[in-house]
Amino acid sequence: QSVLTQPPSVSGAPGQRVTISCTGSSSNIGAGYDVHWYQQLPGTAPKLLIYGNSNRPSGVPDRFSGSKSGTSASLAITGLQAEDEADYYCQSYDSSSYVFGTGTKVTVL
Amino acid sequence: QITLKESGPTLVKPTQTLTLTCTFSGFSLSTSGVGVGWIRQPPGKALEWLALIYWDDDKRYSPSLKSRLTITKDTSKNQVVLTMTNMDPVDTATYYCAHVTGYSRGYYFDYWGQGTLVTVSS
Repeated sequence: QSVLTQPPSVSGAPGQRVTISCTGSSSNIGAGYDVHWYQQLPGTAPKLLIYGNSNRPSGVPDRFSGSKSGTSASLAITGLQAEDEADYYCQSYDSSSYVFGTGTKVTVL
Repeated sequence: QITLKESGPTLVKPTQTLTLTCTFSGFSLSTSGVGVGWIRQPPGKALEWLALIYWDDDKRYSPSLKSRLTITKDTSKNQVVLTMTNMDPVDTATYYCAHVTGYSRGYYFDYWGQGTLVTVSS
C-alpha cells in the first residue's frame, strides 16, 4: 500500500495539457521531502523525468514540468504527444524509506 | 556514461533465497553522495522500493520486507548484491537496480538497469 496516491489514469488529445497529482502526507511530502517523477514507456525501465520537484534532467523536453505544494505534488504535460503515452510515477521519502506513488497511465486519445 | 545491469536466476522455487547482482560502470560507489537501490515491479503493477546502499555503507530497507532483505556492496568489483529469503509467488516481479544521487531532502534514482524478471514457481 503506497503512501503516495496518484489517479489511475488521465487522458488527453494531442496538443492538450494534462496534469497528474501525487498526494502524500505530513510524513513525506509535507515534511519537506522533495518529489521526483519517472516515466515508464511500455516494456521499458523507468526513466527520471523530474527531480527536486521541478527540475528536468538534460534531454527531457520542457513540455514536462513539476510543482509541489503542501502535502501534494503535480506533474504537467503540455502539448501532449503520442510518444507521451506511458505510466508515470512520483517518488519521495517517508520515515527512512523511499516511496513510490501508485502510478498513473497517460493515454493520448 | 553510467550503466547498470541486473543478473540472477529467472526462476526460483517457493521458500528459496533469491540472490541478484547489480553490476555497474561509470561511477564509483565510494563517491560521497552516491548509492545503489533496488526496486521491483510485479507484472502490471506499480513500482516498489526494496533496499538501498549508500557510499558510506549505510543501508536502508523497505519496512515491510526488511526481515527478508540483505544488501551489500563490493566496491572493487562495482557490484551490489541483494538477497531476499523465503521467496513466494507474490514476489514474482521485474527487479531493477538503479543509481541513486541527490541531497538530504531528496535522493532519487537517475539511472536504471534494464530489469530482470524473476518468477517464483514450483
